[in-house]
Amino acid sequence: GDSVTQMEGPVTLSEEAFLTINCTYTATGYPSLFWYVQYPGEGLQLLLKATKADDKGSNKGFEATYRKETTSFHLEKGSVQVSDSAVYFCALSDSQGTYKYIFGTGTRLKVLA
Amino acid sequence: GAGVSQSPSNKVTEKGKDVELRCDPISGHTALYWYRQSLGQGLEFLIYFQGNSAPDKSGLPSDRFSAERTGGSVSTLTIQRTQQEDSAVYLCASSGARGSYNEQFFGPGTRLTVL
Repeated sequence: GDSVTQMEGPVTLSEEAFLTINCTYTATGYPSLFWYVQYPGEGLQLLLKATKADDKGSNKGFEATYRKETTSFHLEKGSVQVSDSAVYFCALSDSQGTYKYIFGTGTRLKVLA
Repeated sequence: GAGVSQSPSNKVTEKGKDVELRCDPISGHTALYWYRQSLGQGLEFLIYFQGNSAPDKSGLPSDRFSAERTGGSVSTLTIQRTQQEDSAVYLCASSGARGSYNEQFFGPGTRLTVL
């Protein structure tokens, strides 16, 4: 079945450092890909999405490109802030009928001032 | 506009008791999903509704779990004879239409603790 593999955390960075969180997927068909963020004490929020190969999703300085050839959707940000500290989830949307999400395990990011 | 709401926000129950968790989706959203977030299992799909029908119940972990949706709106997830392994955050999400391009909007979750 479909699956998402996400890099293990926690990831600890200094403010203004470059961030990459790796995400790869296995899917039949042509899924849409998402990054969700969960700030401490809050619910899941959509960060960005991409619906087809070579699409780039971007938001709040974060970006990710849907790479079909490498089945990847890595999250990047050029300069992280303390306020980016959160748990980040990569997900794919099943394109075979129900469009349910399959999530990665989540990566906790801690940014130090 | 109002987002997805869930109640209660926290529920503590004793092993063996039944619990009901409620989800109010965004008005007009036809698709509704339940997920479970637990330390050991991450975020898992439980059940999907399209309108009042549940064409995909494949994620329900046992027959102690059931869900219904009425009026194409409110959904209730019921767990009978709760066990300690049911302790988790139960998340509800809704989306506007069938199609993977329609992202899901998540509620704040119900944290269930089974003692």
